[in-house]
Amino acid sequence: EDQVTQSPEALRLQEGESSSLNCSYTVSGLRGLFWYRQDPGKGPEFLFTLYSAGEEKEKERLKATLTKKESFLHITAPKPEDSATYLCAVRYGQNFVFGPGTRLSVLP
Amino acid sequence: GAVVSQHPSWVICKSGTSVKIECRSLDFQATTMFWYRQFPKQSLMLMATSNEGSKATYEQGVEKDKFLINHASLTLSTLTVTSAHPEDSSFYICSATGHAQAFFGQGTRLTVV
Repeated sequence: EDQVTQSPEALRLQEGESSSLNCSYTVSGLRGLFWYRQDPGKGPEFLFTLYSAGEEKEKERLKATLTKKESFLHITAPKPEDSATYLCAVRYGQNFVFGPGTRLSVLP
Repeated sequence: GAVVSQHPSWVICKSGTSVKIECRSLDFQATTMFWYRQFPKQSLMLMATSNEGSKATYEQGVEKDKFLINHASLTLSTLTVTSAHPEDSSFYICSATGHAQAFFGQGTRLTVV
């Protein structure tokens, strides 16, 4: 069964404490893996698209990497404003399948 | 970047009435739009896929007669929640595909009282 999972479900970090979020997928015919940030009561905000294994993208304190079965979102020296739910999604065919998300809390 | 506008952002309605939510792609033509529903602290649940000029494809368990989707143009899709009930209260989000990625609207919080 095609699916997307994310771990951990929730993560609490101290400001400046780097960590990684995981997105694992089992779909076939991947056409792209997407990372989004979602703040409460708002729609997801696009962060990155990764298309092939070995690809990396960076934006400020965030870095996304992709392998054949999973993607990591690395957060370096996070700040409280990085607190949000981070969603990954996989596109195959005309489908977008979302993972359940990781709720990140960064404490000052 | 590409923008998707969703309106209204928040609506309160009485049980039994219908509510229409609009989703517009502002600077690109979206042949496919998706409608999602999200409950608190949960991820997005796909309700239906809407293709311009054709009938929407609904996910299993989603009542097509209750959630009416119209995609009459390449820039506009609407979701109408008919005969709303309190259990329909949720956060509804649309997205449109363009430039090989999905762009999301701001979401609509529906509260049925």
